[in-house]
Amino acid sequence: GAVVSQHPSWVICKSGTSVKIECRSLDFQATTMFWYRQFPKQSLMLMATSNEGSKATYEQGVEKDKFLINHASLTLSTLTVTSAHPEDSSFYICSARRWTGENQPQHFGDGTRLSIL
Amino acid sequence: GDSVTQMEGPVTLSEEACLTINCTYTATGYPSLFWYVQYPGEGLQLLLKATKADDKGSNKGFEATYRKETTSFHLEKGSVQVSDSAVYFCALSSGANSKLTFGKGITLSVRP
Repeated sequence: GAVVSQHPSWVICKSGTSVKIECRSLDFQATTMFWYRQFPKQSLMLMATSNEGSKATYEQGVEKDKFLINHASLTLSTLTVTSAHPEDSSFYICSARRWTGENQPQHFGDGTRLSIL
Repeated sequence: GDSVTQMEGPVTLSEEACLTINCTYTATGYPSLFWYVQYPGEGLQLLLKATKADDKGSNKGFEATYRKETTSFHLEKGSVQVSDSAVYFCALSSGANSKLTFGKGITLSVRP
């Protein structure tokens, strides 16, 4: 089945540093990737939609300068949390959708647990 | 806008019990419907899906039928196992970009 790899799976950083999270589709081409944030015991909140070769589309209330998204190829999207602070601590999950056909399901990575001290 | 409503949890069952998790939705047009499962510390895995009315999605003993008349997509399993313990999310996608709208999720715990 479709595999999406997310790296790192867990990161702890000091406040003020920037953290980059990678999302790769390993066995298919993904023109669209999605970035979600999940708070403890809550549902996933869509942060942005990333289309290969173009600027990401951010959801209302998500700071684009804070959460930088780059979708440079059909198999890789990155999310950079810039100048991270403790309130950015969360579980971040990416997903990827195959380029062919409508209503294709999203395939999810295993998530990245980010802790900012 | 689109929305998904799941029954309140958590749900605790004994092994081999019957499971039903309710899910209803509100959407314009004709969405696709999904159930995703999240095991502890992991991302989401697609459990099953249905893309049009009266379709039944099934996988690993779980089933859900796309009911347009009741705008529902309830998840069922006849006999749960301890390994089914996880968080279950109902979701829909619609529109050209197929963004997913998730329900709040429900935690299922199955006792031996």
